[in-house]
Amino acid sequence: EVQLVESGGGLVQPGGSLRISCTASGFTFYNYWMTWVRQAPGKGLEWVANIKQDGTKKNYVDSVKGRFTISRDNARNSLFLQMNSLRGDDTAVYYCARYGGYYLDDWGQGTLVTVSS
Amino acid sequence: QSALTQPRSVSGSPGQSVTISCTGTSSDVGGYDSVSWYQQCPGKAPKLMIYDVTKRPSGVPDRFSGSKSGNTASLTISGLQAEDEADYYCCSYAGNNYVFGTGTEVGVL
Repeated sequence: EVQLVESGGGLVQPGGSLRISCTASGFTFYNYWMTWVRQAPGKGLEWVANIKQDGTKKNYVDSVKGRFTISRDNARNSLFLQMNSLRGDDTAVYYCARYGGYYLDDWGQGTLVTVSS
Repeated sequence: QSALTQPRSVSGSPGQSVTISCTGTSSDVGGYDSVSWYQQCPGKAPKLMIYDVTKRPSGVPDRFSGSKSGNTASLTISGLQAEDEADYYCCSYAGNNYVFGTGTEVGVL
C-alpha cells in the first residue's frame, strides 16, 4: 500500500524559514516524479513544485521561485520542501503527492504551515 | 499560471447527471491531453478520479467520466449519489508546470 506521510509543519513568523518533509513507503520511491501541492484555508488547490526521479530537474510556481527549494533523498525515501522568506499567503496545508504520469495518483494527508506573528 | 476556471457550485437530485466545466487556454488544457480530476471531501486529501482527460483509475465508479473540447475539459457524474457530494478540482499539465482549477462544490439535493 502506498503511503505518504508529511511532517514538519507549524507556526513560523513572517520572513522566517521552515523545512517540511514527506516520507514515502509501499512503492519504489526513486522511480517517480514527486510534487508539493498546497491549499490555503478555505481555498483551492495550488501546485507548488515538482522534482524528477533523480533530482536533476525541478519546477516551481512563480510565486515561490527564489524562496522555496524542493529536494529529495532517494536513500531515505524522502521528499523535502525548504521554505524561506515566508509570507502570510504561504499559510496552507502542504500535501506531497506522487506522479503516476501527468497526474497525481497518491497523496499524503498534509501538514499545516501557518505564517503569522 | 492563472488558475483554470470552474463553476463555483453545481447541484442535482439523486440519479441526475451533473457536468463540471474546466476552462483554460491553449497553453494548458487545449495544448495537452493531460487533464486530471480530483475529488476532495471535507478535511481529506484529494483523490484522483479521472486522468489523461478520459481515463478512470481502478476503483472509481463508471458514473464518473471525462471529456475535452478545445480549451475546456469536463467532468460528468451520471446517476448522482449522496456520497458524490464534495469539492472537485481539475488540473492540467502546462509544460513543466501544472495548474489547478478554481474548484467546484457538488451538492446533492
